[in-house]
Amino acid sequence: NAGVTQTPKFRVLKTGQSMTLLCAQDMNHEYMYWYRQDPGMGLRLIHYSVGEGTTAKGEVPDGYNVSRLKKQNFLLGLESAAPSQTSVYFCASSSDTNIQYFGAGTRLSVL
Amino acid sequence: SQQGEEDPQALSIQEGENATMNCSYKTSINNLQWYRQNSGRGLVHLILIRSNEREKHSGRLRVTLDTSKKSSSLLITASRAADTASYFCATETLSGSARQLTFGSGTQLTVLP
Repeated sequence: NAGVTQTPKFRVLKTGQSMTLLCAQDMNHEYMYWYRQDPGMGLRLIHYSVGEGTTAKGEVPDGYNVSRLKKQNFLLGLESAAPSQTSVYFCASSSDTNIQYFGAGTRLSVL
Repeated sequence: SQQGEEDPQALSIQEGENATMNCSYKTSINNLQWYRQNSGRGLVHLILIRSNEREKHSGRLRVTLDTSKKSSSLLITASRAADTASYFCATETLSGSARQLTFGSGTQLTVLP
């Protein structure tokens, strides 16, 4: 079982560039989440989805957009990257138990 | 905002000793979970304790929950070098929606061989 797969693993952007982070899960989970983790801090929720075709804002949604066109995929987009978006991004998925399964993360640097 | 705050921020012990980490939170919860994160990796779920439970065990892990004090503790017994990681508590709150978790800032545990 692959579980939760994130691509890419690393990326360097210049300020103003755009990119999309991909998350795929093979556990048939309804719920999917995008978090960011900054040094010395826990995870902060960016956006989440409660099912195919749905998205909702989390704690820190500004500067990000998401889409969930298929149940197994959750995409996180940065329209115009800023240095403040330098972080490690984690995708997670869960079923009704709310035990979350995480991907390995994407390390993003914005110069 | 941080719902859960772990204490201590960092802990260093010798292999074979027990490690205790604490988590405090602010609002009423449905359940509290502990996760582990090895350096450079994603988080891995360890254990979930519901608001009506006081103690739970899983292998070398023991979790307690005191809802009157809004606090939880994670005890790792007979620690091993492989237990070196960051440990996070996460709360599912009653006022939250769509099964969100709020994570604390973590305790960095180092187990010295």
